[in-house]
Amino acid sequence: DGGITQSPKYLFRKEGQNVTLSCEQNLNHDAMYWYRQDPGQGLRLIYYSQIVNDFQKGDIAEGYSVSREKKESFPLTVTSAQKNPTAFYLCARSMDRGSHGYTFGSGTRLTVV
Amino acid sequence: SQQGEEDPQALSIQEGENATMNCSYKTSINNLQWYRQNSGRGLVHLILIRSNEREKHSGRLRVTLDTSKKSSSLLITASRAADTASYFCATGRGGDKIIFGKGTRLHILP
Repeated sequence: DGGITQSPKYLFRKEGQNVTLSCEQNLNHDAMYWYRQDPGQGLRLIYYSQIVNDFQKGDIAEGYSVSREKKESFPLTVTSAQKNPTAFYLCARSMDRGSHGYTFGSGTRLTVV
Repeated sequence: SQQGEEDPQALSIQEGENATMNCSYKTSINNLQWYRQNSGRGLVHLILIRSNEREKHSGRLRVTLDTSKKSSSLLITASRAADTASYFCATGRGGDKIIFGKGTRLHILP
């Protein structure tokens, strides 16, 4: 898994429900990122974090929240405010702010039922 | 905000042929990266080329960068069935994040 683990692989959410996607890394890298991918589309940045207890909004942060209480963990919560949450969610880590490339997890596919 | 744009959107070639994908971007960059994504999986980092480099090789991959034209190309030589995937370019400006294009879907025909 390249040192980054996402869980679960598949997740189903009912209307009006919050769900949390897990992302854990074991290589002590500072920077972690959450992306959303819709079918046939590229990746859009939701949130990113460079250090513990600090994170920044990306291009599509509305309806999402994150925390970075530990260096190895960067969970993403999809809140009920996100009206179209069905998508593939990818977490990534990097060193040197991405100047050596990102390593991605295997993704979580979220479906609203 | 989409920075890179890949061309073509989809490409089908016979196994053994070479595959070429292009990426154009709009603003100045610090580096450009190429990634591969197999269906339903995460992205895999293939190669990174910095703005002061013109060409880079890694195995069967060859990447070029023309900063005057704001474009890059990825060449996969002697394609194999396992190369079937989507390929994305991503541009970095030396800050906190990189921006991905929408990708080229490559299909290698047997």
